Formats: sequence, C-alpha cells, structure tokens
Amino acid sequence: DAGVTQSPTHLIKTRGQQVTLRCSPKSGHDTVSWYQQALGQGPQFIFQYYEEEERQRGNFPDRFSGHQFPNYSSELNVNALLLGDSALYLCASSLQGVFVGEQFFGPGTRLTVL
Amino acid sequence: RKEVEQDPGPFNVPEGATVAFNCTYSNSASQSFFWYRQDCRKEPKLLMSVYSSGNEDGRFTAQLNRASQYISLLIRDSKLSDSATYLCVVLGSGTYKYIFGTGTRLKVLA
Repeated sequence: DAGVTQSPTHLIKTRGQQVTLRCSPKSGHDTVSWYQQALGQGPQFIFQYYEEEERQRGNFPDRFSGHQFPNYSSELNVNALLLGDSALYLCASSLQGVFVGEQFFGPGTRLTVL
Repeated sequence: RKEVEQDPGPFNVPEGATVAFNCTYSNSASQSFFWYRQDCRKEPKLLMSVYSSGNEDGRFTAQLNRASQYISLLIRDSKLSDSATYLCVVLGSGTYKYIFGTGTRLKVLA
C-alpha cells in the first residue's frame, strides 16, 4: 500500500522564478492538503483540495496556487519566489468522511530560494 | 496571541522518566485535537487523537481541558526512541484548516 509520495525531494530556485511541486495521495484517499514548514516551526496550512476544488485556504498570498487532478493527485505552484519561501513543503492526504484529523504526510519537498 | 502555543523546549529527560507537554489554543470553538510526532527532517506522523474524556495508548496519555483551552500529552517510562518533536494540532469547528503548534522538542537521555 503506497503512502503519500512527493516530488521532487529537493529543489533550488532563484528569486522571481516559479516552482511546481507534486503530490500523490495515499491509495484510497481523496483529499489533499498542503503545508509550509519553515525551520524550527510547525507546519502552516496553505490550502486543501477536495473534488478538484480548493475548499479551504490558509493565510498565504495568491502567489501560492494549486490543482487537484481526477486521480486525486495534486500540484502546488508558487510564483515570483521570495527568499522567505525557502521551506519544507509537505503534502498530506486523508479520506473525506473518515475520522477527522487522520492525515498522512508525505516526506516533503525541500525548497531553497537563492 | 498565537492560535496554538507550545513550549518549544527542549525537554531533556533520562530514560524511564515521565514527561508532560501542554498546548494551549485560542479558539474556544475548536472541535478536534491531535498530537503528531515529527522526527528530525522527517514528516509528521499522527501519534494520537485527543478526546474529551481523555485517552490512553500504551505509555502515552492525552487529555483535553476545554474550560482552560489546553491539551496535554503525558509520556511514561520514556524511551530513547521517544526523542522527537511533538506537534499539537487543532481543528476548528466547520473548518478544514489544521493549525499546528511550533512543536515541543523532547530528548531522552541514556
């Protein structure tokens, strides 16, 4: 049973560039959430996708956008990268209707912006 | 005031000790509470959910105090393998936004 997978594992970009991160949820899961985790901090909720729609968003600017595909996989796009966007980006999947809170996280993508 | 607050630690305890962490939350309408564990440079993993009546899983006990708006995690008979960061997570009523605390670092010493 495959868990949550994310790609790439590491990424280095320069300021102003754009980046796309990818996530495949755990088998059978239909909901994907994205988080940003800066060093020494807890994960910060970016947004959640369900039925190919963004249904909840955290306090992140419009530079952060996403997409969910019919197979439930998801992408996170960040435009006009800033130095402060350097962080670990985590994807978490869950199953709508099942016990709330049981999210399974992927290993994350470590983004460095130079 | 942060929505979810934790003491960042680190808590350095000897093997076999009992250690407790608290986490406070600001939104009284919050409905669901969890503890996650995160090892260094790894992803968070669900440790346990926190129920109103309190719950226990082996050496781990979680409690919720709605009146004072805090949750707690008690670890008994600490093992070296318990060394990790423990993240408190709160989910508000009618929302899908999970709010994480900054985490509490635990180091269990031999």
